[in-house]
Amino acid sequence: EVQLVESGGGLVKPGGSLRLSCAASGFTFSSYSMNWVRQAPGKGLEWVSSISSSSSYIYYADSVKGRFTISRDNAKNSLYLQMNSLRAEDTAVYYCAREGGLFRPYYFDYWGQGTLVTVSS
Amino acid sequence: QSVLTQPPSVSGAPGQRVTISCTGSSSNIGAGYDVHWYQQLPGTAPKLLIYGNSNRPSGVPDRFSGSKSGTSASLAITGLQAEDEADYYCQSYDSSLSGSDVFGTGTKVTVL
Repeated sequence: EVQLVESGGGLVKPGGSLRLSCAASGFTFSSYSMNWVRQAPGKGLEWVSSISSSSSYIYYADSVKGRFTISRDNAKNSLYLQMNSLRAEDTAVYYCAREGGLFRPYYFDYWGQGTLVTVSS
Repeated sequence: QSVLTQPPSVSGAPGQRVTISCTGSSSNIGAGYDVHWYQQLPGTAPKLLIYGNSNRPSGVPDRFSGSKSGTSASLAITGLQAEDEADYYCQSYDSSLSGSDVFGTGTKVTVL
């Protein structure tokens, strides 16, 4: 059974940093591209970042470019999101999601339960 | 503000058919990019409902169907059931944005 479990969320002050983790199991993690998608309270879904299976290709939404860094450790079956210079508008539930499909736009076939990041003074 | 526009809400009685539109432009759906759909039940993570415009993952009831034409896509739910009450999002790719997968604005389906 595919499982994605996020952790690392919490309350952080504006300008602060946080590192999210996503532990994957039930599939060959090193064969799949992975993504972070967020959802602000009461709002819709927003794609944040993606990373290819070997970390060769990395993409970011304009809203986080230069502040967030996605990475992965295939030996540990883990995905990460380093978030720096956090702003109030980064407050959201952050989901990690496995990417499926053969060509763009890829779909997200499995999602974690999400971890809440709150940026507030 | 998303580049994919959905109606904020649709509603229907049990057993009825409802449709949700996802309107894009020439840089996303109109450029030929596929559309995927997700269902988000209250308090839960999104779930893939339709991929590649009209394909259902294993386990998704055939009451759910998707289509695409021109710069728009649609999700139809036939035989509406109480458990279908949820938020629904379309997703595609936009060539005018760096990166970038895009989600629709989302539609709340209410079963009357």
